[in-house]
Amino acid sequence: DAKTTQPTSMDCAEGRAANLPCNHSTISGNEYVYWYRQIHSQGPQYIIHGLKNNETNEMASLIITEDRKSSTLILPHATLRDTAVYYCIVTSETGANNLFFGTGTRLTVIP
Amino acid sequence: GAGVSQSPRYKVAKRGQDVALRCDPISGHVSLFWYQQALGQGPEFLTYFQNEAQLDKSGLPSDRFFAERPEGSVSTLKIQRTQQEDSAVYLCASSLGQGPTYFGPGTRLLVL
Repeated sequence: DAKTTQPTSMDCAEGRAANLPCNHSTISGNEYVYWYRQIHSQGPQYIIHGLKNNETNEMASLIITEDRKSSTLILPHATLRDTAVYYCIVTSETGANNLFFGTGTRLTVIP
Repeated sequence: GAGVSQSPRYKVAKRGQDVALRCDPISGHVSLFWYQQALGQGPEFLTYFQNEAQLDKSGLPSDRFFAERPEGSVSTLKIQRTQQEDSAVYLCASSLGQGPTYFGPGTRLLVL
């Protein structure tokens, strides 16, 4: 699976949009971009995933560039409960999709 | 609906003791994974089951680690003769085989 690069940490003001970038320049054609987050002392939580089209659900939006070499996770109105480590993961859509987490981005939402 | 559950949530063991960690995956999920998460690090893959078959155990750190899923549902991760470096959070996850993987809350193991 392709590796990803994320900033180590980011801050965001409460109520503002949080935009978390991810580079995945070696992504291959059959690989998806997944986002998970991990709130302190909890297990990772699935947020959203996509192949090449932009995706939106009740938690977030995922914007994937046309060349698929980078993506951005958008939390439209960040709350204090969104403070967590966010992981961008690239993986093929197979049954044995063990995930490589890396170190992620620590997002701190500031009151 | 019910998510992935794990027990115990916390375990303290003396060095040299054997421990067994239990995972109840989401009903109907054929794929089950175990991950290990050291303090301040991201989760790292240990092993993968498809139904009852253990198809990948490349992440198990030593032969003291053993996992089983005999009936294709509940899984147990066993660590024999625990060492201090085994102290970590052990995460279980399950999926339908494609699509998102869903994680349990983890078992925090402390080896003294």
